[in-house]
Amino acid sequence: SYELTQPPSVSVSPGQTARITCSGDALPKQYASWYQQKPGQAPVLVIYKDSERPSGIPERFSGSSSGTTVTLTISGVQAEDEADYYCQSADSSGSYEVFGTGTKVTIL
Amino acid sequence: QITLKESGPTLVKPTQTLTLTCTFSGFSLSTTGVGVGWIRQPPGKALEWLALIYWDDDKRYSPSLKSRLTITKDTSKNQVVLTMTNMDPMDTATYFCAHRRSRARGGLDFWGQGTLVTVSS
Repeated sequence: SYELTQPPSVSVSPGQTARITCSGDALPKQYASWYQQKPGQAPVLVIYKDSERPSGIPERFSGSSSGTTVTLTISGVQAEDEADYYCQSADSSGSYEVFGTGTKVTIL
Repeated sequence: QITLKESGPTLVKPTQTLTLTCTFSGFSLSTTGVGVGWIRQPPGKALEWLALIYWDDDKRYSPSLKSRLTITKDTSKNQVVLTMTNMDPMDTATYFCAHRRSRARGGLDFWGQGTLVTVSS
């Protein structure tokens, strides 16, 4: 079945930029969403439709798409951004959805 | 204000059927475009998408679990029910339900707190 691949971990210093990639064959055809999850909490939607930001999500979170890869960018990373991040999208026909493998973001 | 809450057994035995209920408020599953999905997360592991049902009763399932899952809605009770048959210890996980504003918008913008289900004899 369809898979979305993310790097297991990303490390970044406060104030720097973190970029998290998500690769999948159907991404040119299907929108992606991104979620932030902190320990013991439910995920929070931070990006939908590749690059749209829900209300209440800080402007430092942005999304982009290029071919079979979508990217979540966190500009000016803050300590509170340390969390696991997951991408989510659908297979090429839109029949079902999947989450990515997840990326742990560590603030140095 | 949209809220969702999962309920069901915390412990099930192998081979039993799990029935989870998502009770929500602040929206209606009869509103065009709206959906409710189920997602699970084994301890220390990644999120796994399970199933989703839309306002028009369109149902989507994870292909790897499709034979074991059934998702239904009760619009009058503001509930979505997920059943999973033939439970196995590998199904031990926190199960979440979540709201989708519209099919076109995608994303799951409101989540329940999750409920931990342990499968053990």
